[in-house]
Amino acid sequence: DAGVTQSPTHLIKTRGQQVTLRCSPKSGHDTVSWYQQALGQGPQFIFQYYEEEERQRGNFPDRFSGHQFPNYSSELNVNALLLGDSALYLCASSLRFSNQPQHFGDGTRLSIL
Amino acid sequence: DQQVKQNSPSLSVQEGRISILNCDYTNSMFDYFLWYKKYPAEGPTFLISISSIKDKNEDGRFTVFLNKSAKHLSLHIVPSQPGDSAVYFCAASGGLYSGGGADGLTFGKGTHLIIQP
Repeated sequence: DAGVTQSPTHLIKTRGQQVTLRCSPKSGHDTVSWYQQALGQGPQFIFQYYEEEERQRGNFPDRFSGHQFPNYSSELNVNALLLGDSALYLCASSLRFSNQPQHFGDGTRLSIL
Repeated sequence: DQQVKQNSPSLSVQEGRISILNCDYTNSMFDYFLWYKKYPAEGPTFLISISSIKDKNEDGRFTVFLNKSAKHLSLHIVPSQPGDSAVYFCAASGGLYSGGGADGLTFGKGTHLIIQP
């Protein structure tokens, strides 16, 4: 049973560029959440997708956007990259109407030069 | 403003002894709390959780205690083993559904637990 998978594992971009990160949820899960983890910090909630719509959003600018596909997989897009966007981006999946916790992928390490 | 605080960046415990990790929160709307464990180069792994209607939850060597009036929770690991060395994150949610599956989680900064042989 595959868990949450994220791609790519590492990515290097320059300031001003745009990036797309991908996530496949654990089998049976219908909800995908994205988190940003800066060095030495805990993960910070970016947004959550369910039924292909953004359902909840954390304190992140509009440069951060996402999408969820009919097969429940998801993308995180970041435009106009800043040096401060360098972080580990974590995807978590869950079954919305359950009392089960979110399961995390191993993340994508994004470095901005 | 940090709504979930883990004030000990690191903790060193001898193998076989009890490890106690602490977490404080400020948002009274939080009603579900989780502990995640993270090894380097891996994503966080769920460890144990507790609903605000309980004050204790046990799972094997792991016990979480919740003191709602103090807005404080703690994770006890007994006995501590070398494989427990990792970063431990406290997380909280408050929303429509219990379990944290339908809400964005608010995390603390983590505590690095080191188990000494």
